[in-house]
Amino acid sequence: DGGITQSPKYLFRKEGQNVTLSCEQNLNHDAMYWYRQDPGQGLRLIYYSQIVNDFQKGDIAEGYSVSREKKESFPLTVTSAQKNPTAFYLCASSIDIAAGAYEQYFGPGTRLTVT
Amino acid sequence: AQSVTQLGSHVSVSEGALVLLRCNYSSSVPPYLFWYVQYPNQGLQLLLKYTTGATLVKGINGFEAEFKKSETSFHLTKPSAHMSDAAEYFCAVSPNTGGGNKLTFGTGTQLKVEL
Repeated sequence: DGGITQSPKYLFRKEGQNVTLSCEQNLNHDAMYWYRQDPGQGLRLIYYSQIVNDFQKGDIAEGYSVSREKKESFPLTVTSAQKNPTAFYLCASSIDIAAGAYEQYFGPGTRLTVT
Repeated sequence: AQSVTQLGSHVSVSEGALVLLRCNYSSSVPPYLFWYVQYPNQGLQLLLKYTTGATLVKGINGFEAEFKKSETSFHLTKPSAHMSDAAEYFCAVSPNTGGGNKLTFGTGTQLKVEL
């Protein structure tokens, strides 16, 4: 089955530690995205990538970093500089970032708790 | 800049009753429009989308939405609610002016279905 996988489902970290969230897709999509979801705030875009080795900041990129070394993989690192990292993180992909008519496909999400 | 407003963060209906979830957008040019559904602790699933053509769009699970340019609205409806419809629903827009596929989400509406 084609789709997007995110691991782990739940992640717990101590404050001050960096943590990397995994996102893999086998849909052969060019574009990939990371969103953060907080209760009552909808989804906010952290980073997005149009092609391998290229990525752009979204609306709330501070305290996060990404890489795109392979088409199918787009890991997100939550650094210790992120002031409020506890949230639900969603990865998504779409065929092409240039055309707005294409829908995005979402992974199951990773719930990160930092204490 | 485009934005999305979902009126009512919580909506409660009886099983078998009409479901109406409201979405209004703000954009200088009518954007592409999407409705997604999210079940607890899961990713988002596309219900339906409007890009061009017929303004009444049918989606999965018996949902439909009508694009009304004059009202800048894209409300989601279902004639008869089922218990399984209880979830959070997100309206989203992306630009159709070559601005790419970055989605802007509303803050979501939690639908509760009561017996």
